[in-house]
Amino acid sequence: NAGVTQTPKFQVLKTGQSMTLQCAQDMNHNSMYWYRQDPGMGLRLIYYSASEGTTDKGEVPNGYNVSRLNKREFSLRLESAAPSQTSVYFCASSGTGTGGETQYFGPGTRLLVL
Amino acid sequence: EDQVTQSPEALRLQEGESSSLNCSYTVSGLRGLFWYRQDPGKGPEFLFTLYSAGEEKEKERLKATLTKKESFLHITAPKPEDSATYLCAAAGGTSYGKLTFGQGTILTVHP
Repeated sequence: NAGVTQTPKFQVLKTGQSMTLQCAQDMNHNSMYWYRQDPGMGLRLIYYSASEGTTDKGEVPNGYNVSRLNKREFSLRLESAAPSQTSVYFCASSGTGTGGETQYFGPGTRLLVL
Repeated sequence: EDQVTQSPEALRLQEGESSSLNCSYTVSGLRGLFWYRQDPGKGPEFLFTLYSAGEEKEKERLKATLTKKESFLHITAPKPEDSATYLCAAAGGTSYGKLTFGQGTILTVHP
């Protein structure tokens, strides 16, 4: 059981470039989440998917898009990267997402936008 | 708006010196209060979930407690390997699984 996996581990982009962060979970969870973590700001929710086929905005969705490819996979896309998107990105998953459920996190993707 | 505040921001202890970390929350209809541990360069690792005031959970040297306004993470006789950032998060009644995180407490335990 790998839990939640993320690729890549580290990425450097130039301003305006695009990229997709990949996330997969093998816990048969219905809900998946994307967070970013910045010094002094804590973890902030970007987008979430309560179940396969649905996605919704979190606290800081601007500049990002997501795709829930299937039950296992949830990707985060930066269409035109900006230096303000330099951050550590974490994917998480939980059972049904109905509230009060534990979320399990992946190891993170460190993104530097120059 | 849901809010979670952790204190102190940083805590330095000697090995064996017990202490507590605080997590104050303002959440409508709390559905769960979560504690995570995060090591440098790693993702948050789940520690505890608390659901109602008065609930307590323990794991090795850690014990989490919950009141209607706060949660505490008590660390008894800490060891250097307990050094990490401890994160608190809350799920409110209207959040449908979305967590609001505090900014974390950086714990350093010196031998």
